[in-house]
Amino acid sequence: GENVEQHPSTLSVQEGDSAVIKCTYSDSASNYFPWYKQELGKRPQLIIDIRSNVGEKKDQRIAVTLNKTAKHFSLHITETQPEDSAVYFCAARESGGSYIPTFGRGTSLIVHP
Amino acid sequence: DGGITQSPKYLFRKEGQNVTLSCEQNLNHDAMYWYRQDPGQGLRLIYYSQIVNDFQKGDIAEGYSVSREKKESFPLTVTSAQKNPTAFYLCASSMSSGTDTQYFGPGTRLTVL
Repeated sequence: GENVEQHPSTLSVQEGDSAVIKCTYSDSASNYFPWYKQELGKRPQLIIDIRSNVGEKKDQRIAVTLNKTAKHFSLHITETQPEDSAVYFCAARESGGSYIPTFGRGTSLIVHP
Repeated sequence: DGGITQSPKYLFRKEGQNVTLSCEQNLNHDAMYWYRQDPGQGLRLIYYSQIVNDFQKGDIAEGYSVSREKKESFPLTVTSAQKNPTAFYLCASSMSSGTDTQYFGPGTRLTVL
């Protein structure tokens, strides 16, 4: 099955800095990679996703890059704001089998004003 | 994601008791999922259902049971066989198991006294 590693587990930045969270996956058949944001006590919400036929996707201050050869993908947040503080989860989903995504362990992002 | 609800928000249980967590969705989604969330562990899949009257075990099904008698409902029972049930439980749904976006419910925090 798929195995997803996520780093770092905690990331602390100053407001206005950039933040980068990295994930690696093991199954080369995976073709869909979503990122979720979970604020304290709330439900995870999809913030951006990327498919294997695309190398980069951007949505305002957030972007995701994918390197299929190396089997890793990253979330980039620019000009961070205090409201970006949350736990971020990456996931990878296989194109076959059960289609169930495998999640990373999460990164707690803290943005200091 | 406002179309998927969980109840109760907080639940307390004595050791040795079974307890059932509710999950309802009005999104007309075929697939539903149960995840367990522990600090630093990410989201771990307990059970999933791709269609009414059918469900499969996830990675950590031991001590849990589910039913899927209606499309809208996917209740999770935490049995007394679950050795460490204190956790945050998240229900999710998607159009089908082969579609990408999962929508999460607000979660139930279960505490065993």
